[in-house]
Amino acid sequence: GQQLNQSPQSMFIQEGEDVSMNCTSSSIFNTWLWYKQDPGEGPVLLIALYKAGELTSNGRLTAQFGTTRKDSFLNISASIPSDVGIYFCAGQVNNAGNMLTFGGGTRLMVKP
Amino acid sequence: NAGVTQTPKFQVLKTGQSMTLQCAQDMNHNSMYWYRQDPGMGLRLIYYSASEGTTDKGEVPNGYNVSRLNKREFSLRLESAAPSQTSVYFCASESYEQYFGPGTRLTVT
Repeated sequence: GQQLNQSPQSMFIQEGEDVSMNCTSSSIFNTWLWYKQDPGEGPVLLIALYKAGELTSNGRLTAQFGTTRKDSFLNISASIPSDVGIYFCAGQVNNAGNMLTFGGGTRLMVKP
Repeated sequence: NAGVTQTPKFQVLKTGQSMTLQCAQDMNHNSMYWYRQDPGMGLRLIYYSASEGTTDKGEVPNGYNVSRLNKREFSLRLESAAPSQTSVYFCASESYEQYFGPGTRLTVT
């Protein structure tokens, strides 16, 4: 099946630092989504992107839909301890039962 | 409004045993999904149901069956559990975006 390469796999940063992570694919997606998963919980949607080149913010989070439709980026500004968790990108083709293809996740750890 | 609920939260099975994972949503969504999550990997789709009465295979359907009992409920059945099915299972429902349940942690010994 389709694969999404997400990097980095993990990050250990100081509180207050900015964070960047990205996903790349060999295939085109029509929708890119970014989720956060806290320990013992299901993923929660952070940002959804629907157009190539789109840049969308949600508080301190900003995500971009790459112009080639094969990549997406997530930035977190001024990280805080509650940002700790696993962040997943997901791509959706929209003509295959709306199935999501997930990246492997980026585990974020924040040092106070 | 509970969103997506899953039962049980934890389960231990012996190889060859069967069980059904339950999922329900109260958001009146048409589409529902079952994923599994393994360490270091993203979620992989097992089965999905685009609407009541329909089900389709996802990326990793082998060893599983599903039932879309009604619009609210979508169950996942393991007929003969294997250690390779040890995983965390997530159910999701969708209107424009997918909303996930809290997961079922299954261990098969």
